[in-house]
Amino acid sequence: NAGVTQTPKFRILKIGQSMTLQCTQDMNHNYMYWYRQDPGMGLKLIYYSVGAGITDKGEVPNGYNVSRSTTEDFPLRLELAAPSQTSVYFCASSYSRDGRRNTEAFFGQGTRLTVV
Amino acid sequence: AQSVTQLDSHVSVSEGTPVLLRCNYSSSYSPSLFWYVQHPNKRLQLLLKYTSAATLVKGINGFEAEFKKSETSFHLTKPSAHMSDAAEYFCVVSDRRNDMRFGAGTRLTVKP
Repeated sequence: NAGVTQTPKFRILKIGQSMTLQCTQDMNHNYMYWYRQDPGMGLKLIYYSVGAGITDKGEVPNGYNVSRSTTEDFPLRLELAAPSQTSVYFCASSYSRDGRRNTEAFFGQGTRLTVV
Repeated sequence: AQSVTQLDSHVSVSEGTPVLLRCNYSSSYSPSLFWYVQHPNKRLQLLLKYTSAATLVKGINGFEAEFKKSETSFHLTKPSAHMSDAAEYFCVVSDRRNDMRFGAGTRLTVKP
């Protein structure tokens, strides 16, 4: 099982450049999440999605955009990269039936992004 | 919105001694609570979860946690630490919207 796959694993961006972090899952999960992890700060929720076509902001959405056109894919877009977006990004997915309580979330291996 | 406070950023124990990692939560609704572990260069992994069933929850690798509503706590314990338990541990809260919020993490060091 592939589970949750993120690409790329590493990336260096220049200030002002844009890029898309890819995330795909093969478990038919309805929920998907994007987090960023900074040292000593834990994981902060950027955006999440409860199903195809539905997205919602998390704790730190500024500077990011997402879309969910299919169940499998949940790309994260950085339009104008800034040094403050240097971080490790994690994608996750989980299943919740009829909006009930979440079951276990499965995480990707992370993308380490540096903005210089 | 819901939130989590992990009361210790770093805990150090000797191998074979008990582990206690503390977590307090805030939520307007009856929450779901989780503990995840992150070993270096490994994916985040679920240790255990509370979703309104039994208040004492058992997880993998001998860990357990007790949900105490009156204290808004969900502390993680293990009777005897093993060297392989050294990792970063995250307490996570999720309310009815299922948007999971992480604590800042506790780094567990296990000394031989």
